[in-house]
Amino acid sequence: GEQVEQRPPHLSVREGDSAVIICTYTDPNSYYFFWYKQEPGAGLQLLMKVFSSTEINEGQGFTVLLNKKDKQLSLNLTAAHPGDSAVYFCAVSGGSALGRLHFGAGTQLIVIP
Amino acid sequence: GGIITQTPKFLIGQEGQKLTLKCQQNFNHDTMYWYRQDSGKGLRLIYYSITENDLQKGDLSEGYDASREKKSSFSLTVTSAQKNEMAVFLCASSPGGGQNTLYFGAGTRLSVL
Repeated sequence: GEQVEQRPPHLSVREGDSAVIICTYTDPNSYYFFWYKQEPGAGLQLLMKVFSSTEINEGQGFTVLLNKKDKQLSLNLTAAHPGDSAVYFCAVSGGSALGRLHFGAGTQLIVIP
Repeated sequence: GGIITQTPKFLIGQEGQKLTLKCQQNFNHDTMYWYRQDSGKGLRLIYYSITENDLQKGDLSEGYDASREKKSSFSLTVTSAQKNEMAVFLCASSPGGGQNTLYFGAGTRLSVL
């Protein structure tokens, strides 16, 4: 079955620096990709949903890159601020009617003011 | 918008005890999920349900029961709590299908004495 590896598990950056989180998946038929953000004491909130057909996806203050050849998904926060401190999860789906997502183990990001 | 409500927020149990966690959603979503979150291990699917009265086992169903009493509610039972167990249980819902975003509740934090 699908395996999703996420790295690094912990990341500390200074305010204004960039932060990069990378996920590697195994199933070449994976089609939908998600980044979720979890703040302390809260559930996961969707940051971005990416389709297999789109390699570069830009959000507010971040970019999601999909490299299908290497089966890699990355989240790049361009100028991190303290409000970005949270745990980030990637998730991968094959797009079946089942709706099963395979999650990475998460990255704890700390942005130091 | 909708909301997913999980009760209780915190649950302290005794070894061997049967414990029930509840989840309600008002999105009118078809599919509901229960995930277990352990530090450093990401989210693991326990049970999911694609419609009222449906129940499907996830990757971690042993030691748990679930019940989809009606479309809006999905409960999870820990059949026999394990000593020193600590985890967060997250409920989620989606319209169904792998392309759909999951919406998460804030979680139930379980500690077993």
